[in-house]
Amino acid sequence: DAGVTQSPTHLIKTRGQHVTLRCSPISGHKSVSWYQQVLGQGPQFIFQYYEKEERGRGNFPDRFSARQFPNYSSELNVNALLLGDSALYLCASSSSGSSGETQYFGPGTRLLVL
Amino acid sequence: GENVEQHPSTLSVQEGDSAVIKCTYSDSASNYFPWYKQELGKGSQLIIDIRSNVGEKKDQRIAVTLNKTAKHFSLHITETQPEDSAVYFCAASKAGNQFYFGTGTSLTVIP
Repeated sequence: DAGVTQSPTHLIKTRGQHVTLRCSPISGHKSVSWYQQVLGQGPQFIFQYYEKEERGRGNFPDRFSARQFPNYSSELNVNALLLGDSALYLCASSSSGSSGETQYFGPGTRLLVL
Repeated sequence: GENVEQHPSTLSVQEGDSAVIKCTYSDSASNYFPWYKQELGKGSQLIIDIRSNVGEKKDQRIAVTLNKTAKHFSLHITETQPEDSAVYFCAASKAGNQFYFGTGTSLTVIP
């Protein structure tokens, strides 16, 4: 079975541009979470979606948005990119997003903002 | 919110020796504590997890212990092998399943 997949694997953008990152969860999983991992740090929670509804949001500015589609795949959008947005963006899926549920991570999208 | 601290940031051990990584958390409501192994190009792999109703869990060479009173949990790897070299992250979560991660430990196993 395929695990969590993310696209693209790498991306280079310039300041002020916007970017869309994509994630496909494990088959049968209905919850997707997004994390930002800056070099040398642990992942930081951005969003959680379940059944197309936002279930949680981390401490990120409104430039960050996301959505989940009927097939449970998800997109993370970042507008007006800043140099500090350069990071590895991780998507994780779980069955229902319930407390104490294991999350399975994708390989990530590495974003570089110049 | 939750604050997870992880130590040490780097750890080198001889092959065959044991490695221990420690994490503390701040929110007593946290009830699930996974450990992930992150390798370049391979993503993050769950290696073991523990829930707050259990004090210890073991899976072959890997074990995790949890002290709820002191709010800390530890990863123990015995008989380390070169393929154990990676960055390890601890995390804590509570209701809502948002994970709070530590800052990572870079483990090097020297052959």
